[in-house]
Amino acid sequence: KAGVTQTPRYLIKTRGQQVTLSCSPISGHRSVSWYQQTPGQGLQFLFEYFSETQRNKGNFPGRFSGRQFSNSRSEMNVSTLELGDSALYLCASSWGQADEQFFGPGTRLTVL
Amino acid sequence: AQSVSQHNHHVILSEAASLELGCNYSYGGTVNLFWYVQYPGQHLQLLLKYFSGDPLVKGIKGFEAEFIKSKFSFNLRKPSVQWSDTAEYFCAVNAMDSNYQLIWGAGTKLIIKP
Repeated sequence: KAGVTQTPRYLIKTRGQQVTLSCSPISGHRSVSWYQQTPGQGLQFLFEYFSETQRNKGNFPGRFSGRQFSNSRSEMNVSTLELGDSALYLCASSWGQADEQFFGPGTRLTVL
Repeated sequence: AQSVSQHNHHVILSEAASLELGCNYSYGGTVNLFWYVQYPGQHLQLLLKYFSGDPLVKGIKGFEAEFIKSKFSFNLRKPSVQWSDTAEYFCAVNAMDSNYQLIWGAGTKLIIKP
């Protein structure tokens, strides 16, 4: 069974630009969560989607948004990028909301 | 609001030493508990989980954890660590009452000296 895939793996953007990250969950998984990982802050929860509905949202500004498609694939978008948005963005999928999450390799975003 | 505390941010041990990493959570209801590990350059992966039943849970690579409800704790243990256990370890908790949002601890970086 293929694992969680994330594209692109690396991205370099400049301040003010926007970016879209993609996540393909494990086949059959309906829940997709997104996290921001930085050395100083650890894992910060962004949002979770279940069957195309946003079920939970973390404490990030409205510049961070996401969506989930009918095939469970998910995208997250960050508009008006700031230097502080540089981080590893992780996607995780699970069968149901309460279940263990399986993580992708992440997208390393660098904002210059 | 729920929170998860991992008391040690950095731990350095010699090979063959015993390991215990602390995890405490603040929530009085029914919880699901997880330990994840991130080896250098690798994905986060599940070490073990507790949903119900026997509070002593065994995971991969010789790790185990004990759920003590009265202490709101889920400490991770391994009797004899190896150099390959060098990694960052995360404790996480979710609960039905909070829509199963997974709450994460800050992580513990474990370095094993050969």
